[in-house]
Order: sequence, then C-alpha cells, then structure tokens
Amino acid sequence: EVQLEQSGAEVTKPGESLKISCKASGYTFSSSWIGWVRQMPGKGLEWMGIIYPGDSDTRYSPSFQGQVTMSADKSITTAYLQWSSLKASDTAIYYCARVRGYGGYAVYFDYWGQGTLVTVSS
Amino acid sequence: TVLTQSPGNLSLSPGEITTLSCRASQSVNSNYLSWYQQKPGQAPRLLIYGASSRATGIPDRFSGSGSGTEFTLTINRLEPEDFAVYYCQQYGNSLYTFGQGTKLEIK
Repeated sequence: EVQLEQSGAEVTKPGESLKISCKASGYTFSSSWIGWVRQMPGKGLEWMGIIYPGDSDTRYSPSFQGQVTMSADKSITTAYLQWSSLKASDTAIYYCARVRGYGGYAVYFDYWGQGTLVTVSS
Repeated sequence: TVLTQSPGNLSLSPGEITTLSCRASQSVNSNYLSWYQQKPGQAPRLLIYGASSRATGIPDRFSGSGSGTEFTLTINRLEPEDFAVYYCQQYGNSLYTFGQGTKLEIK
C-alpha cells in the first residue's frame, strides 16, 4: 500500500528556517516524482514543484522558484521541503503527493500525504 | 494555462445528478487533465485522470469527459459523502495548474 507520511505541524516565527518531510512507503521511491502543493487558509491548491528522488532532478513553479528548496534522501525514502527565511504569508498546509503519468510524463497526483500545517507568526 | 471552474458553489440534494465544468485558457491534452475531491480537514483525493479514467477505488457514479478547452466531471446519484470541493488540474509545458475549485454543498 502506497503511503506518504508527513511531519507534524510547525509553529515558527518570521525569518526562521524550516524543513518539513514526507516519508514514502509501499512503492519504489526513487522511480516516481514527488510533488509539493500549498493550500493557504480557506483557499485552493497551488503547485509548488516536483522532485525525482532517483537523481534529485527538481522542477519549480515560477511562483515558488527561489522561495523554497526541495530535496530527497533515497536511503530513507523521504522528501523534504525547506525554507531559509519564512514569512507570515507562508502560513499554509503543505501536501506532498506522488506524481504519476504515462509516456514519460508525470501528470497527475495519485497518492497524497496528510498535509503539514505551517504557521508563521511573531 | 489557467483553469476556470464553474460554478463556484453548488447546492444540491442527495440523489441528484450534477455536472461540474473546467474550462482551460488554452487547449489541454486530454491525457493530462485530472479531477480531485477534497473534504474538510482532508488531503485531496484523485478521482479522474486522463480526463475520463477513474482512479483506483472511485465509484462509477463519477465520470469525466471533455477535450480541448472544455472538461466536465459528472456525479450521478449524489451520495452524502460526495459533498466536498472539487478541483480540476492540468499538466502542460512542465507546469501544473489547478482550477479554483467548485464547492458542492448539501441543500
């Protein structure tokens, strides 16, 4: 059974750094892209980027390029999303999801983590 | 590519049929159009991929169709557990975008 288990809720202050995680199991971690999706309070879904754990190839949404860093550790089948300096506007739920598709393209998100709530407040 | 979903909100009763719309600002490869359901406090769940293929475990009362710039999600015989927010999503030019969502409420 495919599972994505995300790290727990975080409360941080503006300017602080943070790294959240997404532990995958039930499939070959290094052979599927992992995506990150943001959901701000009461709002819709926003794609942030994807990472291929096999070689750490990373693609960022233009909206999030330079704002976050994605990484993965194949040895422990875990993907990460990190910030170097958080802002209050980063307050949101962050979801990881496995990305699947066909013809060599990863096009839809088939399994999702439960989400990590990040609260940034002074 | 911008995806615009309509209506934004919908109030219906269990047992009814509904069609949700997703319109793209430019043509989308139908293989790359998906639908998700999100209930309060839960992660999104994949319903439909490739515009019309149901994901594993999705009841057959959910169906998707469309091509080009117009896609629809149809839910036959609404069940109480179907009241949720629905998002369409597309992939193109190495980018992923979601529609703004349609909230389906119980009347």
